[in-house]
Amino acid sequence: DAKTTQPNSMESNEEEPVHLPCNHSTISGTDYIHWYRQLPSQGPEYVIHGLTSNVNNRMASLAIAEDRKSSTLILHRATLRDAAVYYCILWRTGNQFYFGTGTSLTVIP
Amino acid sequence: DTAVSQTPKYLVTQMGNDKSIKCEQNLGHDTMYWYKQDSKKFLKIMFSYNNKELIINETVPNRFSPKSPDKAHLNLHINSLELGDSAVYFCASSQAPGQYYEQYFGPGTRLTVT
Repeated sequence: DAKTTQPNSMESNEEEPVHLPCNHSTISGTDYIHWYRQLPSQGPEYVIHGLTSNVNNRMASLAIAEDRKSSTLILHRATLRDAAVYYCILWRTGNQFYFGTGTSLTVIP
Repeated sequence: DTAVSQTPKYLVTQMGNDKSIKCEQNLGHDTMYWYKQDSKKFLKIMFSYNNKELIINETVPNRFSPKSPDKAHLNLHINSLELGDSAVYFCASSQAPGQYYEQYFGPGTRLTVT
């Protein structure tokens, strides 16, 4: 099974960068790495995804290890609005995907 | 304009009843999904439809039956509700099936079975 492992919780000060790690040691060559976040009482929201190369978008950056067994979601300047549960997901060919238990991010003012 | 909408937002019902949850997306997407999020916040895929055809059917009791009347709608009907069905149900859509496409989620339907 393609599974992801994330820390249960992390804290960050407001306006500082946050690095959210994810281990996915059973990743296979065609698995995409997706990140979603879920704010309290809302549906999950897409953040970013990638295959092998690092990716940047307006919300975040995704750094993928060379062996692809781990990745890191980077929020460049945490705001209070970024407090959420962040899910790292492996998305396999054939529409198989696996949500982990997520990391609950607390942003301290 | 809400991209993915679900009705109702809250649903409280008794064991043994039959209920439906509706989902609509106005994004022009081909693919729609149903997820269940339990009390421990674990999200699990239940079903997915692409162009009205079922493409993902995870191990879910056959009391749960999805129906897609058209590409923009995916409904979930649940027969003989049980206490363990209490959860938040999320609908989502994506441009197409597969790993490359991001999913857009609805606000969720909180189902409570008493």
